[in-house]
Amino acid sequence: GIQVEQSPPDLILQEGANSTLRCNFSDSVNNLQWFHQNPWGQLINLFYIPSGTKQNGRLSATTVATERYSLLYISSSQTTDSGVYFCAANAGGTSYGKLTFGQGTILTVHP
Amino acid sequence: KAGVTQTPRYLIKTRGQQVTLSCSPISGHRSVSWYQQTPGQGLQFLFEYFSETQRNKGNFPGRFSGRQFSNSRSEMNVSTLELGDSALYLCASSAGQGLNIQYFGAGTRLSVL
Repeated sequence: GIQVEQSPPDLILQEGANSTLRCNFSDSVNNLQWFHQNPWGQLINLFYIPSGTKQNGRLSATTVATERYSLLYISSSQTTDSGVYFCAANAGGTSYGKLTFGQGTILTVHP
Repeated sequence: KAGVTQTPRYLIKTRGQQVTLSCSPISGHRSVSWYQQTPGQGLQFLFEYFSETQRNKGNFPGRFSGRQFSNSRSEMNVSTLELGDSALYLCASSAGQGLNIQYFGAGTRLSVL
């Protein structure tokens, strides 16, 4: 099945700094999603982005499907951005409803 | 529109018992997927149901089972609980066809003592 790798595993920033999180995937995808896991465990949807670029406030994401990677950009980080960020992909075909997750990036933003 | 609802939020069981978790999808969604999250293994796919049929299954033992009802609500059952089953169980709903964005519930945290 598809493999998903995220980097870096940990990221520590000062408030106001910018950051880039990377997600590499091993096969073509028909679904790629970025999530932020809140302290209570819920996965919050950030982007659905199997290809192209999207922006939502201070967050943006780019997926280059032909090169099998996606980037999540966080600008002017805030302490509330802290948490775990996951990238997850689905390769289509018979992998109905199955998202394969990366191991996550733990982001800590200090005031 | 209400989001994905999982009940209960917390459960404490002892080894050997069985447990049933419930997931109500977003209205109109016909697909429900279940995931297990542990510190050691991360987020792993358990199974997916669409229109009351299991369409896909992950690599978990037969002690893990599920079903989906005609209103798209889903349950998962774990029998003969083991200590290693302690985890956060997440369910996600999606349309099941076409644009398959998955939306997650808040999860059920299961502790097996």
